[in-house]
Amino acid sequence: KQEVTQIPAALSVPEGENLVLNCSFTDSAIYNLQWFRQDPGKGLTSLLLIQSSQREQTSGRLNASLDKSSGRSTLYIAASQPGDSATYLCAVRDMEYGNKLVFGAGTILRVKS
Amino acid sequence: GAGVSQSPRYKVAKRGQDVALRCDPISGHVSLFWYQQALGQGPEFLTYFQNEAQLDKSGLPSDRFFAERPEGSVSTLKIQRTQQEDSAVYLCASSPGQGVNEQYFGPGTRLTVT
Repeated sequence: KQEVTQIPAALSVPEGENLVLNCSFTDSAIYNLQWFRQDPGKGLTSLLLIQSSQREQTSGRLNASLDKSSGRSTLYIAASQPGDSATYLCAVRDMEYGNKLVFGAGTILRVKS
Repeated sequence: GAGVSQSPRYKVAKRGQDVALRCDPISGHVSLFWYQQALGQGPEFLTYFQNEAQLDKSGLPSDRFFAERPEGSVSTLKIQRTQQEDSAVYLCASSPGQGVNEQYFGPGTRLTVT
């Protein structure tokens, strides 16, 4: 059974700092991995989608990498801003279970001004 | 264009009541998913539709949970005889095709069972 773990569970940084969020998964047979942002009381906003054949994806100040063989992904946020404060979730779509996403519990990020 | 919408956004039910939660996916999206998110946790899969066919309902926690998508567009998640442990945010997502496409999420319905 696929399990997804995110470390750290919570992170507080000063504005302007670069930071890394970690995601690990137990079964490397995945179709893709997706990073989401969730603001309090809101739904999920997709940030980056990495297909299993890709190593990384970039969007603005965000860069996500995927090492499928080791079951790891990282989300790098450059020059963090208070508006980046949110919960960040990673999810994998694995080959055994087909279409559903398996999520980690998330990392709660707070960027202090 | 319009994203995934869900209604109601908030629902308070007394234990034992039945509730119905609605999801309007992005127009033309073939795949539709329901997830349950408990407080402080990541979403957990409930069920999946491809058009009107319910292809996977392995995540539904009990036979009190029922989902339908009769015309391959709008979907309804129904919970009968609600229990306190059903309190959660229920998220709907849609995807343009089968398989490995990106999923787009709605804002969720927060259900509180008292």
